[in-house]
Amino acid sequence: GESVGLHLPTLSVQEGDNSIINCAYSNSASDYFIWYKQESGKGPQFIIDIRSNMDKRQGQRVTVLLNKTVKHLSLQIAATQPGDSAVYFCAENMSGSARQLTFGSGTQLTVLP
Amino acid sequence: GAVVSQHPSRVICKSGTSVKIECRSLDFQATTMFWYRQFPKKSLMLMATSNEGSKATYEQGVEKDKFLINHASLTLSTLTVTSAHPEDSSFYICSARSGTTNTDTQYFGPGTRLTVL
Repeated sequence: GESVGLHLPTLSVQEGDNSIINCAYSNSASDYFIWYKQESGKGPQFIIDIRSNMDKRQGQRVTVLLNKTVKHLSLQIAATQPGDSAVYFCAENMSGSARQLTFGSGTQLTVLP
Repeated sequence: GAVVSQHPSRVICKSGTSVKIECRSLDFQATTMFWYRQFPKKSLMLMATSNEGSKATYEQGVEKDKFLINHASLTLSTLTVTSAHPEDSSFYICSARSGTTNTDTQYFGPGTRLTVL
């Protein structure tokens, strides 16, 4: 079936380094993608989204890259901070359809001091 | 803006009792609310979608008679876990969407930790 998945379940980075979290999706008709951050015991927090008519979108310290050819999505976090430690989920959807958001399995990001 | 609250944040109940969880959009009107379930170290699993004033749409495998959803107003949806059993213990998260298209942003509540003894 259709799915959204992540390449790595865990990622550890040194404080101050850049982090890259990857996500693969299988539904070629998906045209809307979102990254969420979930801290332990809390609900997901919206980080950034991107639509399929774009390849790149930047926010504050975060950049999302979309490669539709290989159905790959990545989240880049610049100058990673301890507060960035969390589980990051990608989610995808298809506009104009009855489908709801489909979440990936998540990547645990740990920022090392 | 776009704050979603849930109450209670934690609840412990005895097996066989019912538990009600509230989800509120505090600063916007939510035409659609969603209920998710999340097991430890797992992703979010959509349970049901509710639109204000109409019956909820349940995902395959989710028992609608066990997980009762009411969306009586544009700012409040409730999930009632009826006759709870230990296997219903989980983290329940709601989200709310103000727009009418499925790609409008969903804002999530802080979650409710349910433990059934």
